[in-house]
Amino acid sequence: AQSVTQPDIHITVSEGASLELRCNYSYGATPYLFWYVQSPGQGLQLLLKYFSGDTLVQGIKGFEAEFKRSQSSFNLRKPSVHWSDAAEYFCAAGDGGYQKVTFGIGTKLQVIP
Amino acid sequence: DVKVTQSSRYLVKRTGEKVFLECVQDMDHENMFWYRQDPGLGLRLIYFSYDVKMKEKGDIPEGYSVSREKKERFSLILESASTNQTSMYLCASSLRGPQHFGDGTRLSIL
Repeated sequence: AQSVTQPDIHITVSEGASLELRCNYSYGATPYLFWYVQSPGQGLQLLLKYFSGDTLVQGIKGFEAEFKRSQSSFNLRKPSVHWSDAAEYFCAAGDGGYQKVTFGIGTKLQVIP
Repeated sequence: DVKVTQSSRYLVKRTGEKVFLECVQDMDHENMFWYRQDPGLGLRLIYFSYDVKMKEKGDIPEGYSVSREKKERFSLILESASTNQTSMYLCASSLRGPQHFGDGTRLSIL
């Protein structure tokens, strides 16, 4: 069965520190991969996507993610976290077609001064 | 920019009521989706639609139905609301790319 795993439910980082959020997927073929961010009480906003090509993907708000086929991973990174990055982050994978995707359960990021 | 609008941000209903959640997108997207979001469970797909009058069950369709009479509008219907349907409901749309989400409806069933 297709699945997306985000092993960290909560992560706390200091403002200015680097960030890496983990995501692993289980799919029959290379899926389409996404990272979304959700601020409290809001819907999901797309940070970045990977369909094919360059395995290092740049997104909005200074985020990037790297696709590693050998590890079935698509980890999200940011070199220096800002307090406004505190939110919940969702990794998702889809197989094209009608763009039906599977979401991970999310990682809640807390940023401390 | 894609705009996905959900008719209510907050809604309170009583058990047994028939509840309608409305979603409208303004980008002529073919695909539309309804999810519910619960703490610790992430987003779970209830129903999706890839064309007018077409619908497909997602992972948790029980207790729900949908309607898509026009391309831009996708309605989620709770036929007889129950307390275990208290949740955040998210609508999304897509064409041939990532899904775009509305701001969600927080539904409480009393």
